[in-house]
Amino acid sequence: DIQMTQSPSTLSASVGDRVSITCRASQSISGWLAWYQQKPGEAPKLLIYKASTLESGVPSRFTGSGSGTEFTLTISRLQPDDFATYYCQQYHSFSFTFGPGTKVDIK
Amino acid sequence: QVQLVQSGAEVKKPGASVKVSCKASGYTFTTKYIHWLRQAPGQGLEWMGIINPLGGSTSYAQNLQGRVTMTSDTSTTTVYMELSSLRFDDTAVYYCARDGTSIGSYPDYWGQGTLVTVSS
Repeated sequence: DIQMTQSPSTLSASVGDRVSITCRASQSISGWLAWYQQKPGEAPKLLIYKASTLESGVPSRFTGSGSGTEFTLTISRLQPDDFATYYCQQYHSFSFTFGPGTKVDIK
Repeated sequence: QVQLVQSGAEVKKPGASVKVSCKASGYTFTTKYIHWLRQAPGQGLEWMGIINPLGGSTSYAQNLQGRVTMTSDTSTTTVYMELSSLRFDDTAVYYCARDGTSIGSYPDYWGQGTLVTVSS
């Protein structure tokens, strides 16, 4: 099974900051990675798929990068609506695993 | 518009079974896999399995093999997830989610979630 890790587990930041979250896979997953945002009491929302493709309607301040085993989600200028938990998910070879999540909270 | 509407909250005793439904609309039901996922209170997302509504083929998470069954009904565009031999640690919000491609990849549209509480 492919294991996913994320760092940091919690990130404290201010509105306007540039923040980055790292996701690592236990083996190469090529570019088969998605990123989600989840707010309390809500279902997750797809932000990015195939490592760097922005889902329709998602603001351009969200960018994804990486391939193989290391990936990054960057929010260029943090907005009040962006305080949430972020998850990565791999989907290589018909297996599916989520990372443990990164909570972005207000500094 | 794509919608996935799940059945309501359930309270079950340990050892019982629960069956959660997920009615899909707004797209051609048989062209997209459906994932099931769950999230225990305060915890992360756990992938449970996937079903191809066309034909009903399934793939389940190893830790749930033997306890989970996913089925589909094309006449009502509904998929079902049944979990048996419930334990206290099965308490979670259960989500269905449509696959974003036709080959099994990332969930793009999600249901609203169904809270299943296992309590004696």
